Amino acid sequence: KQEVTQIPAALSVPEGENLVLNCSFTDSAIYNLQWFRQDPGKGLTSLLLIQSSQREQTSGRLNASLDKSSGRSTLYIAASQPGDSATYLCAVRQYNQGGKLIFGQGTELSVKP
Amino acid sequence: ETGVTQTPRHLVMGMTNKKSLKCEQHLGHNAMYWYKQSAKKPLELMFVYSLEERVENNSVPSRFSPECPNSSHLFLHLHTLQPEDSALYLCASSQDRTDNEQFFGPGTRLTVL
Repeated sequence: KQEVTQIPAALSVPEGENLVLNCSFTDSAIYNLQWFRQDPGKGLTSLLLIQSSQREQTSGRLNASLDKSSGRSTLYIAASQPGDSATYLCAVRQYNQGGKLIFGQGTELSVKP
Repeated sequence: ETGVTQTPRHLVMGMTNKKSLKCEQHLGHNAMYWYKQSAKKPLELMFVYSLEERVENNSVPSRFSPECPNSSHLFLHLHTLQPEDSALYLCASSQDRTDNEQFFGPGTRLTVL
């Protein structure tokens, strides 16, 4: 059974810092891995999608990497801003379960001005 | 309207009520999903529809009844719910059920009294 774990559960940093969020998964039979952002009480905004054949994806100040063999992904946020404060979720698209998306519990990020 | 929309955004209902949640996607996608997000738990997949056919029912109680009348619309009919069903219900869509990005709606915050 696929399990997705995100560490840390919560993170507080001063504005301007570079930071790394971690995601690990137990079953490497995945189509892809997706990083989302969720603001309190709101839906999910897709940030980056990495296909299983890819190693990384970049969008602006965000860079996500994928090491499928070791079951790990990282989301790197450069020069953090208060507006980056949100919960960050990673999810894997499971290969042998009809493309099911399995989520971690998220990392709650707070960027202090 | 663009993306994935959900109505209502907030719903309060008694245990004997019957209500429906509505989701509409304006992206031309073929797959639609219902997820449940309870406090302090990872998002849980409830139902998957592909080309208007239900392809997955993730052991969801029968008091939740999905309906997909066409590829753009998805409903979740609710009846005789329990207080523990209070949660954020999120709808998502993707081009197909495999390796494409999932896009989420803003969610319906449901409270069962």
